[in-house]
Amino acid sequence: SQQGEEDPQALSIQEGENATMNCSYKTSINNLQWYRQNSGRGLVHLILIRSNEREKHSGRLRVTLDTSKKSSSLLITASRAADTASYFCATGGNSGYSTLTFGKGTMLLVSP
Amino acid sequence: EAGVAQSPRYKIIEKRQSVAFWCNPISGHATLYWYQQILGQGPKLLIQFQNNGVVDDSQLPKDRFSAERLKGVDSTLKIQPAKLEDSAVYLCASSFRVGVGEQYFGPGTRLTVT
Repeated sequence: SQQGEEDPQALSIQEGENATMNCSYKTSINNLQWYRQNSGRGLVHLILIRSNEREKHSGRLRVTLDTSKKSSSLLITASRAADTASYFCATGGNSGYSTLTFGKGTMLLVSP
Repeated sequence: EAGVAQSPRYKIIEKRQSVAFWCNPISGHATLYWYQQILGQGPKLLIQFQNNGVVDDSQLPKDRFSAERLKGVDSTLKIQPAKLEDSAVYLCASSFRVGVGEQYFGPGTRLTVT
């Protein structure tokens, strides 16, 4: 079963606008990661946030984590057409050999 | 550095046939993963290796799927016999060590079973 659930399933915006995607999960985690997938570059890691962190930035990306609500959000500022892709959150559990569990993803379309 | 390599990129087979996929992880990465991604869904872990030992294969359909990682480097995933529902993209990923940090994904093999 897939733990993370992204919301919305699809998002369509204009270049220059901000895009916000949300992820909810069910069990306790060690870390939460966001990945991007497009036809050109495959699945690429964007950012990792640990369970004891609340916010993290990387370039135009901002990730927040609220462990009390078991939710995370990914904000992409000043979006570009090249940001068009599917975005997945993946949760890592607490066991020593923890695997990642991916959600179904949010499909983002950025129009010029 | 070179990324995760996979081959073939595309494969079309008939149901009940067998197929094998190959993966070469990033040099020095001890952990290797095989995922299945069905259209419209996120990747689902099939099997995870730490060096050449299996760490997690709880979601691998062992009656038809098998995987090995000889010498702790390259890995092969085999399906025998294939079913229509096996049509998916099979992704290989690697990471420096298990449980922590990002995973690096290969381009995937798109399998179509007719």
